[in-house]
Amino acid sequence: GAVVSQHPSRVICKSGTSVKIECRSLDFQATTMFWYRQFPKQSLMLMATSNEGSKATYEQGVEKDKFLINHASLTLSTLTVTSAHPEDSSFYICSATHGTGGTFFGQGTRLTVV
Amino acid sequence: AQSVTQLDSHVSVSEGTPVLLRCNYSSSYSPSLFWYVQHPNKGLQLLLKYTSAATLVKGINGFEAEFKKSETSFHLTKPSAHMSDAAEYFCVVTLVTGTDKLIFGTGTRLQVFP
Repeated sequence: GAVVSQHPSRVICKSGTSVKIECRSLDFQATTMFWYRQFPKQSLMLMATSNEGSKATYEQGVEKDKFLINHASLTLSTLTVTSAHPEDSSFYICSATHGTGGTFFGQGTRLTVV
Repeated sequence: AQSVTQLDSHVSVSEGTPVLLRCNYSSSYSPSLFWYVQHPNKGLQLLLKYTSAATLVKGINGFEAEFKKSETSFHLTKPSAHMSDAAEYFCVVTLVTGTDKLIFGTGTRLQVFP
């Protein structure tokens, strides 16, 4: 089946620094990718829709300047958490839609800001 | 607007006994419905999906779900639980047909006791 790879799986950073998370569709092209955030013991909340070659569409309440999304190619979308703070610590998951209509998720990235 | 409600936050069963995870949906359109499983600190794996074909959907690992329009339900079942089934399960509905934006339920944590 289609594979979506997310990197890194875990990252620890200091407050005030920026962290980049990559989401790659390994064996298919994805014009649209999605970024989700999951708080401990809670469900996934859609943060933004990443569109190749255009600006991302953010969900209400998500800070565009805090969470920068770049979808530079049909196989790569990146999420950069800028000036990270402890409250940004969370589990971030991306997904990509295959041409057949299936949605495939990355393995997730656990971000810890200290 | 689409929404999905998972009626139980926790379900505990003994190994070898049946599993029932409940999900009700609300949708203005003909919905596509999914069940995903998430093991600790892992990404999401698709168990099964309903997309207006057969109402009884069979998935991986012995799971199945039945779409009941009259009850607006999409409950997940398995005849005999296995220890490896212990995980978080999410019922998911598409936000708007064709956009692939997913709305997640709050999740049900399944515990399996020996």
